[in-house]
Amino acid sequence: QQQVKQSPQSLIVQKGGISIINCAYENTAFDYFPWYQQFPGKGPALLIAIRPDVSEKKEGRFTISFNKSAKQFSLHIMDSQPGDSATYFCAATHYGQNFVFGPGTRLSVLP
Amino acid sequence: NAGVMQNPRHLVRRRGQEARLRCSPMKGHSHVYWYRQLPEEGLKFMVYLQKENIIDESGMPKERFSAEFPKEGPSILRIQQVVRGDSAAYFCASSPGQGEETQYFGPGTRLLVL
Repeated sequence: QQQVKQSPQSLIVQKGGISIINCAYENTAFDYFPWYQQFPGKGPALLIAIRPDVSEKKEGRFTISFNKSAKQFSLHIMDSQPGDSATYFCAATHYGQNFVFGPGTRLSVLP
Repeated sequence: NAGVMQNPRHLVRRRGQEARLRCSPMKGHSHVYWYRQLPEEGLKFMVYLQKENIIDESGMPKERFSAEFPKEGPSILRIQQVVRGDSAAYFCASSPGQGEETQYFGPGTRLLVL
């Protein structure tokens, strides 16, 4: 019940394309869903986050879509750039505790 | 405004030695989380602390691992009698307080056990 599933494991996208990463959770107590971006040799950095009272949140080229009934959420990267090549982690938490991370998606954006 | 700081960035230990990993949270943050990341894997929660108190240690191995966050100074993750399986990247994150979900991560400590 504490698990967060994430897919795909790896993703290759052409420059300018849309990258889509999906996550699913079981614990309905989760109330905050962040996405983190991690470059090799670096710590994860918060990218964007959403709460279950909204269905979509957009920040620049990054959009989170949230489906509460299906217990799923996804990250969309519009106009993907080579600089977006990194590993992306979804996560879920309840009140800042019980932080659970997905296994990650390695994104490669081809020039 | 310095971010989360971790040291050392790289640590090499032989089997049976002790490893001490340090984490200084962002200024004004009183809560610290420790995570372990194996190569090509996600982050596994280990422990959640506030100053002088362990809030959640459900992810900590029962033996050889301990963590503290004293009133003064950095948070310390201590691994006694290290084994090769402890080789991993250990990340620390901090947040302003309980109920604050946004975590800010440090650069990590890469531990290699020979």
